[in-house]
Amino acid sequence: TQLLEQSPQFLSIQEGENLTVYCNSSSVFSSLQWYRQEPGEGPVLLVTVVTGGEVKKLKRLTFQFGDARKDSSLHITAAQPGDTGLYLCAGEDYKLSFGAGTTVTVRA
Amino acid sequence: NAGVTQTPKFQVLKTGQSMTLQCAQDMNHEYMSWYRQDPGMGLRLIHYSVGAGITDQGEVPNGYNVSRSTTEDFPLRLLSAAPSQTSVYFCASRPRDSLQETQYFGPGTRLLVL
Repeated sequence: TQLLEQSPQFLSIQEGENLTVYCNSSSVFSSLQWYRQEPGEGPVLLVTVVTGGEVKKLKRLTFQFGDARKDSSLHITAAQPGDTGLYLCAGEDYKLSFGAGTTVTVRA
Repeated sequence: NAGVTQTPKFQVLKTGQSMTLQCAQDMNHEYMSWYRQDPGMGLRLIHYSVGAGITDQGEVPNGYNVSRSTTEDFPLRLLSAAPSQTSVYFCASRPRDSLQETQYFGPGTRLLVL
């Protein structure tokens, strides 16, 4: 059983559309991280959110940490083909636990 | 800086064979770790090290050994490979044993056990 559940598992959209990826858990985390992984590569850290209710923006990416620090979302505005990849969330309690990821494909 | 490097990129083993996956980092990071990534399972921690001479077990340590004789290197040994160890293995490092530090991943080793 995954400690962190990510949804949807797969997402395919047209360039210019918006998308949201969710990361949910029944556990409370001290912080939550989002990574992007491209085929044949290791994950690369995008952002760390620490405070309940926190919102962080990274260009067209918006990350939100739930008020109760059990869930998070990643919203991409006007998606581009370069946003294609596997998006992973990871929650910290005394260790880092990863979700299974959401595979995002942005079609040109 | 080369960052985190892993060798080999691909490996095919027969059941029962042993091998060592190499990992090195040139960032003088104290903390290093090994993960395996399987479809639908996310990344799972195998072993980790908070500094030279110190190692500890993660979530799925059975069938794997590690050592940390230097700050730079953290090899992962498969003692007797099994098909269940078919996976993609990632090595990672960060400056210290603090989850507030950015963790850097290597490019991975893809292992197939027949």
